[in-house]
Amino acid sequence: EDQVTQSPEALRLQEGESSSLNCSYTVSGLRGLFWYRQDPGKGPEFLFTLYSAGEEKEKERLKATLTKKESFLHITAPKPEDSATYLCAVRSGGTSGSRLTFGEGTQLTVNP
Amino acid sequence: GAGVSQTPSNKVTEKGKYVELRCDPISGHTALYWYRQSLGQGPEFLIYFQGTGAADDSGLPNDRFFAVRPEGSVSTLKIQRTERGDSAVYLCASSPSSLAYEQFFGPGTRLTVL
Repeated sequence: EDQVTQSPEALRLQEGESSSLNCSYTVSGLRGLFWYRQDPGKGPEFLFTLYSAGEEKEKERLKATLTKKESFLHITAPKPEDSATYLCAVRSGGTSGSRLTFGEGTQLTVNP
Repeated sequence: GAGVSQTPSNKVTEKGKYVELRCDPISGHTALYWYRQSLGQGPEFLIYFQGTGAADDSGLPNDRFFAVRPEGSVSTLKIQRTERGDSAVYLCASSPSSLAYEQFFGPGTRLTVL
């Protein structure tokens, strides 16, 4: 059974204070690791897909990296508008098929 | 272009009633997914359609839940004899195909069962 664990559950940063969010996973044959951003009352917004260990993707102040056991979402010099819940999900090649298995998310608050 | 749309945005019903939730996927997307998200949790998979057929319904919690996609586009999630524990946000996602891994989510329907 695929498992995803995200830490910390919540993170408060000052504007400009860089940090990282962690996503640890256990899957049977990784077919993709996904990062989503979710604002209150809205659906998850797709950010990145990573497929293999060593891969990195960047978008504005966000950079996602992947190892064989975990992924990190690095946030450089965050702004208040980066405040949201960040969700990590995996798709495996096992019996889980096309579904995504999500972690519980990290709630990020960036104070001005 | 237009994203995934879901209606209604909010639904309040009484215990024991029947409800239908609608999902309009991104035009041309053949794969469609339903997830359920409880407060403070990540989305949980319910069912996946490839075209008109349910390719994987193993996430449906019990036989009160059913979903259809008769023409391979719009999908309806149907819940019979609703229970208070069914209260959650129901999310729909679509993907260009089952081979395309990114899933794009709609805004969700917040279901409250009184």
